[in-house]
Amino acid sequence: AQSVTQLGSHVSVSEGALVLLRCNYSSSVPPYLFWYVQYPNQGLQLLLKYTSAATLVKGINGFEAEFKKSETSFHLTKPSAHMSDAAEYFCAVSGTGGYNKLIFGAGTRLAVHP
Amino acid sequence: DGGITQSPKYLFRKEGQNVTLSCEQNLNHDAMYWYRQDPGQGLRLIYYSQIVNDFQKGDIAEGYSVSREKKESFPLTVTSAQKNPTAFYLCASRSTSGPYGEQYFGPGTRLTVT
Repeated sequence: AQSVTQLGSHVSVSEGALVLLRCNYSSSVPPYLFWYVQYPNQGLQLLLKYTSAATLVKGINGFEAEFKKSETSFHLTKPSAHMSDAAEYFCAVSGTGGYNKLIFGAGTRLAVHP
Repeated sequence: DGGITQSPKYLFRKEGQNVTLSCEQNLNHDAMYWYRQDPGQGLRLIYYSQIVNDFQKGDIAEGYSVSREKKESFPLTVTSAQKNPTAFYLCASRSTSGPYGEQYFGPGTRLTVT
């Protein structure tokens, strides 16, 4: 069975500091991996996706993620945090068994302080 | 603009009443999904549908029902049998022509039952 673990339910950084949100996955087949962002009382927006074309994936809003098969990780980073980055972030893996279900992590809430 | 609409944004009901949440998409996507989101628990799949007139139970289908009479529409009914219906409900869709499985989300409906 596939699963996703996001380490740290809350992460706090200062404006301008590095953002690192951790995601580890478990999958018996080569995975497709995704990061989504959710602002308060809104739906989820796709930040980026890993589809095996390149291990370093660039997304919107200056975010990027690196797929590391040996570590079964897909951590999300941004070199310099902005106040507008404060949101909840979800890592997801595309499931097997038809219908392409997404398996979501529990989410990491990012706070950015001035 | 193409996208997914959910209405209403906020919904209040008395315990014991059925309530139907609307989800419409104009992305020409074949697959549609309903998720429930509770604080600290990420997203849990309620129902999904890959084609018209077909749908499958997700992980927490008890107390919910759906229909898929049109490609664009996938309404969710929260019945009185759902023991804890207060939550944030998200609808999503996916194109089955692509292999990667990324889903696109609507803005959500916050249901409060008292």
